[in-house]
Amino acid sequence: DAGVIQSPRHEVTEMGQEVTLRCKPISGHNSLFWYRQTMMRGLELLIYFNNNVPIDDSGMPEDRFSAKMPNASFSTLKIQPSEPRDSAVYFCASTRSYEQYFGPGTRLTVT
Amino acid sequence: GNSVTQMEGPVTLSEEAFLTINCTYTATGYPSLFWYVQYPGEGLQLLLKATKADDKGSNKGFEATYRKETTSFHLEKGSVQVSDSAVYFCALSDQVRSSASKIIFGSGTRLSIRP
Repeated sequence: DAGVIQSPRHEVTEMGQEVTLRCKPISGHNSLFWYRQTMMRGLELLIYFNNNVPIDDSGMPEDRFSAKMPNASFSTLKIQPSEPRDSAVYFCASTRSYEQYFGPGTRLTVT
Repeated sequence: GNSVTQMEGPVTLSEEAFLTINCTYTATGYPSLFWYVQYPGEGLQLLLKATKADDKGSNKGFEATYRKETTSFHLEKGSVQVSDSAVYFCALSDQVRSSASKIIFGSGTRLSIRP
């Protein structure tokens, strides 16, 4: 089992640019979660999907953030336009029941 | 709503010391309880879980008991090692509907072990 796969692992971009983070959940898992982690705010749930359908996006900070899950094996989190305060580690996690399996994260730096 | 409160860190101990990290929760119904661990530069990993009252979860020498009467799920280890240095998150399941649930995480407790 390859686990949850995220790409890229590191992203450095300039303010105003579009950023797309990618996630491949574990095969057979029917829920997918996007989190953001910073020193100041800790771990925040941004959005989660069940059977590819968004269930709760109340954690998405602004309209600049959007997430899609076109099929059971792929999800994206897009930030457009990016801002320095978006710098954080973004985690994707998937679950079949209650146990969440986290990916290694994408460290985003917006300059 | 459901919530988790855990002791603030950082916690610094010497190797072979006894560890307790306190965690209490507020929940309706009967949530499952978890401890996750995050090593530097990695994502969170499930350390142990308990699904009903009086259950004891255990893994890698760590233990926690689901105490409904005190709404607690304290993490303990009898003898810590340098390799246990990490951030520990207490969490509970929050079932939104029968087909979907999410996990509510505490704020995390950073543990540092001195050789």
